Amino acid sequence: AQKITQTQPGMFVQEKEAVTLDCTYDTSDPSYGLFWYKQPSSGEMIFLIYQGSYDQQNATEGRYSLNFQKARKSANLVISASQLGDSAMYFCAMREGAAGNKLTFGGGTRVLVKP
Amino acid sequence: IAGITQAPTSQILAAGRRMTLRCTQDMRHNAMYWYRQDLGLGLRLIHYSNTAGTTGKGEVPDGYSVSRANTDDFPLTLASAVPSQTSVYFCASSVQGLIGRGSTDTQYFGPGTRLTVL
Repeated sequence: AQKITQTQPGMFVQEKEAVTLDCTYDTSDPSYGLFWYKQPSSGEMIFLIYQGSYDQQNATEGRYSLNFQKARKSANLVISASQLGDSAMYFCAMREGAAGNKLTFGGGTRVLVKP
Repeated sequence: IAGITQAPTSQILAAGRRMTLRCTQDMRHNAMYWYRQDLGLGLRLIHYSNTAGTTGKGEVPDGYSVSRANTDDFPLTLASAVPSQTSVYFCASSVQGLIGRGSTDTQYFGPGTRLTVL
C-alpha cells in the first residue's frame, strides 16, 4: 500500500486565489512527521512546512498552512494568495518514528498559477 | 554558507562504467541521504547515514554504494552503471536531533545531479 498518496497530478489556480493540495498517508506508528516540499522548474527541493503527529495546532508558515486531520490521515497544504512563482511541483513526505529519519515521498502535484 | 553542494551537475555515462556522485555539506549535520527522482515521480531513498562511519540501505539500494568517512562528505558510487540508473540524484542532510515530540529534523536538499546512462 502507498504510504503517501497525492491524488491530484496537476492543478491550475488563478493568481491571488488560494489552492489546496491533497495528501493522505498511511502509518501505524504513533510518532511521525509530515513535510511539504516545493520543486520549481529549476529542480531544487525547497522545504515549506512541517507537521508533527503530536502537534495540537495546524502548522503555518507565511502563505503556507497545513490542514492536518489526524483521524482521516490527511495533511493538505493550503497556499493562500497564489503568486506566479508558486508554479511548481509540490511533494508531500512522511517520516515515521520507527524508521528513523527516512522520508517517504508522494508522487507530487504540479501547480500552475495563471495570471 | 553553501549548504549542500553536489557534483557533477550533470553527466552522461556509458553503461558499465563506474561513477561517483559527490555530496558535501557545511552545516555540520549528522545525517545524510541519497535519493533518486525519476520522471514524474517523487523521491526514493537509496542509502542514508545517521552519523559518520555508519550507513544504511534505503528503498532502492541495489547497484549503489556509499561511504561516510567524515561528517561533511557522502559520496554515492555506481560500480557498473546501467540505463535504469538514469535519474536525477539528490543528496540531503539533517541535524539528526531527537526524534519525537517537537522534533522536526528537516532534511535539506542539494541542487541535484542529472545522470544519463546510455
